[in-house]
Amino acid sequence: NAGVTQTPKFQVLKTGQSMTLQCAQDMNHEYMSWYRQDPGMGLRLIHYSVGAGITDQGEVPNGYNVSRSTTEDFPLRLLSAAPSQTSVYFCASSSGEIGDTEAFFGQGTRLTVV
Amino acid sequence: KNQVEQSPQSLIILEGKNCTLQCNYTVSPFSNLRWYKQDTGRGPVSLTIMTFSENTKSNGRYTATLDADTKQSSLHITASQLSDSASYICVVRSGAGSYQLTFGKGTKLSVIP
Repeated sequence: NAGVTQTPKFQVLKTGQSMTLQCAQDMNHEYMSWYRQDPGMGLRLIHYSVGAGITDQGEVPNGYNVSRSTTEDFPLRLLSAAPSQTSVYFCASSSGEIGDTEAFFGQGTRLTVV
Repeated sequence: KNQVEQSPQSLIILEGKNCTLQCNYTVSPFSNLRWYKQDTGRGPVSLTIMTFSENTKSNGRYTATLDADTKQSSLHITASQLSDSASYICVVRSGAGSYQLTFGKGTKLSVIP
C-alpha cells in the first residue's frame, strides 16, 4: 500500500547542478502536483498535472520543469540549482480536482543547495 | 489577494487537555476548507473538509467548525494525546479555477506528558 512515493528523501546540491526529484503514485490518480514548503510560509504550488501529457504552472514555477509521460510518475527537474531552492518538496496526487477530493502527499524531499 | 491566517502560531498543552486552533480566510469565491495534520518529517494528511453549507464536522477527537459569514474556521481537539503533536494546516479552495488553493502557515501543536 505505497500511495505516493518520493525519492530521494534528502539531497545536497551545489549551486548550478541539476537534478530530478522523483514522484510515483500507485492509486491511478489523474491529478498530481508539486509543492515547496519553506519555514514560516504555507505550501506553495510549483507545477501540476491533470493527466498524462498535460502540465501547467503553479505559483512558483521558475527554475523547475515537469513532464507527465505516464499516469504514475511526475518528476520535478531543477535546471540549475540555486540556494533559494533550498526547501522541502512535496508531491501530491488526487483522484479529482485537488481541494475537491482528498490529496495524498508523499513524505517529502529535503533539498539543500550550497 | 486570497489569504489564510492561522492562530496561534504554536501551542503547548498537557496531555489530556483540549485545545482549539483558529483559521481566518479571505478567499473568494469560497468553495471549501480542509484541515490537514502534518507530522514532523512527513507529508500532510487530510483530517476533514468543510463546504459552504456545513457548520460542524467531526473525525474522532477532531471537530471542525465553519462560519462562512465571518470567514472563520476552528479545529477543536478533545482529550489530546502525545500523537497529536504536529502542525495543523488550514487550506481554502477557491471556486475560481483549477488548483486554486490557499494554504495557511500552520499551527504547531506540542502535547507534553
